[in-house]
Amino acid sequence: DSGVTQTPKHLITATGQRVTLRCSPRSGDLSVYWYQQSLDQGLQFLIQYYNGEERAKGNILERFSAQQFPDLHSELNLSSLELGDSALYFCASSVGVGRTYEQYFGPGTRLTVT
Amino acid sequence: AQSVTQLDSHVSVSEGTPVLLRCNYSSSYSPSLFWYVQHPNKGLQLLLKYTSAATLVKGINGFEAEFKKSETSFHLTKPSAHMSDAAEYFCVVSPSPGSARQLTFGSGTQLTVLP
Repeated sequence: DSGVTQTPKHLITATGQRVTLRCSPRSGDLSVYWYQQSLDQGLQFLIQYYNGEERAKGNILERFSAQQFPDLHSELNLSSLELGDSALYFCASSVGVGRTYEQYFGPGTRLTVT
Repeated sequence: AQSVTQLDSHVSVSEGTPVLLRCNYSSSYSPSLFWYVQHPNKGLQLLLKYTSAATLVKGINGFEAEFKKSETSFHLTKPSAHMSDAAEYFCVVSPSPGSARQLTFGSGTQLTVLP
């Protein structure tokens, strides 16, 4: 158990809908990362927050947004969902933002868009 | 820019035999390198990391990796495979200093352990 929690574990929704994925980092970690894992794209970095502020953006679509709240939990919002958004979404956390800090991953949220 | 190549998409070994998962990296700076493991329907777990200290890094569950700058490699090994090692393994390189703080993942190696 990494200490990172994600809810829900599974999510099934229809195209065009909007969903929110939630992540609580390990105790003491200030940085939160979101990743998307799909069969065709592999593991892709989406976005990073550190202590409530956005620090880095990866391959995140404009239909997706995220935020980190004062209690350090984070939410990833996915809107106007398409079939291709079906994937496993991981949250990870780390103590700081330095490149030597390892990231600890949550169990993921499996999103299925029908 | 940094990149990482996992040379085998699938590796199959018999239980009790050695494991070798190969990873080459490309980087214009001194990288930090990681190996993560993902068991079916689970999140990623850190096995070990290299951050410019000792070139031979020992991780959890008997795994180790050796950083070889001259070969730009960071191969993962284990002397004796166990059935519970069956999983997908990812070699990961850190971002360059001052750039966006994102890890770059390899495409993964699926390890099968035969009884």
